[in-house]
Amino acid sequence: KQEVTQIPAALSVPEGENLVLNCSFTDSAIYNLQWFRQDPGKGLTSLLLIQSSQREQTSGRLNASLDKSSGRSTLYIAASQPGDSATYLCAVSPGKLSFGAGTTVTVRA
Amino acid sequence: NAGVTQTPKFRVLKTGQSMTLLCAQDMNHEYMYWYRQDPGMGLRLIHYSVGEGTTAKGEVPDGYNVSRLKKQNFLLGLESAAPSQTSVYFCASSYISSVNTEAFFGQGTRLTVV
Repeated sequence: KQEVTQIPAALSVPEGENLVLNCSFTDSAIYNLQWFRQDPGKGLTSLLLIQSSQREQTSGRLNASLDKSSGRSTLYIAASQPGDSATYLCAVSPGKLSFGAGTTVTVRA
Repeated sequence: NAGVTQTPKFRVLKTGQSMTLLCAQDMNHEYMYWYRQDPGMGLRLIHYSVGEGTTAKGEVPDGYNVSRLKKQNFLLGLESAAPSQTSVYFCASSYISSVNTEAFFGQGTRLTVV
């Protein structure tokens, strides 16, 4: 059974600092890894999808890396802003998504 | 483009009552899923479907039933609600592909069972 772990569970940083969020998974036979953002009381918004053949994916200030062999992905958010405060979740497929418990980020103004 | 739409958004049930949650997607996705999200537990898969007319159990299927009569709709039913089913329920959909499995989520249904 795929186990997905996200460390740390919570993170608080001052505005402008870079964020580093970690995701690890136990079964390296994945198709894709997806990072989501969830604001309080809201649904999940897809941020980045990394295919298993890719090593990284970038979108604006966000960069996600994938190392299948070690079962790890890292989400980097550059120059954090208070609007980046949210919970970030990673999920792996094939088929049904297996989720980590998320990292709750607070960016202090 | 509506994406994934869940109805209702909020509901309060009494113990023993039944209800159906509706999920509709307009992206022609094969996969559809129902998750529940509880504090400290993360997202847990209840049931999923890999296509019209098919359903399968996830991690926490007990007390729930599902149906996928049409490709665009996935229904989650609670036959006899219990307080333990108080949760936020999310529906999601995605393609079946080894290349693109990007999942899209609805906004959630907040269910309280009293």
